[in-house]
Amino acid sequence: AQTVTQSQPEMSVQEAETVTLSCTYDTSESNYYLFWYKQPPSRQMILVIRQEAYKQQNATENRFSVNFQKAAKSFSLKISDSQLGDTAMYFCAFMSAGGTSYGKLTFGQGTILTVHP
Amino acid sequence: GAVVSQHPSRVICKSGTSVKIECRSLDFQATTMFWYRQFPKKSLMLMATSNEGSKATYEQGVEKDKFLINHASLTLSTLTVTSAHPEDSSFYICSASLGTYLNEQFFGPGTRLTVL
Repeated sequence: AQTVTQSQPEMSVQEAETVTLSCTYDTSESNYYLFWYKQPPSRQMILVIRQEAYKQQNATENRFSVNFQKAAKSFSLKISDSQLGDTAMYFCAFMSAGGTSYGKLTFGQGTILTVHP
Repeated sequence: GAVVSQHPSRVICKSGTSVKIECRSLDFQATTMFWYRQFPKKSLMLMATSNEGSKATYEQGVEKDKFLINHASLTLSTLTVTSAHPEDSSFYICSASLGTYLNEQFFGPGTRLTVL
């Protein structure tokens, strides 16, 4: 079974600064997908960014980028130019690319990010 | 596009009663729907996976007789918490998948269940 670990329960950052959230995972599979989701106080889950394991290039979505280190099984999220609206709980998630677990998401414990003005 | 709704958003019920939560994909047909449970400031725990017209697949430790899931159509799945008790109080979230690129899941806004 896959496991996803987020070792930072809480993080804080000043507005306009950069912050990096950590995520490691454990799997014996070679092909899979990784995601970062954001859950603001409204509790609506929002997809922030996704990465396909077979792609070496790190995914980027505007102010959000990842550092995907496949050998180290690490998938960190960098938020640049932090905004007050980035305040939320962030979840790292793993999805198998095939087999009986295909389509199922395994979530990390979450990191509460607070952006201060 | 890819909007998922849940109804109700909040429900309070007495211990021993049953509660039904609906999950609808509003603008697409979902091949698969998922039900999660989330405690305050905790992660999402997958309860079950449902496909239209077939029985739901429950995760280990989830009581299938307690949490009844029906997936009657490609746009509707329901979760019924039977004989609810205070320990069933939680935030329940559904998601729906198109079954296409990356099998991306689109999440509903969640339902807060409080059992008195």
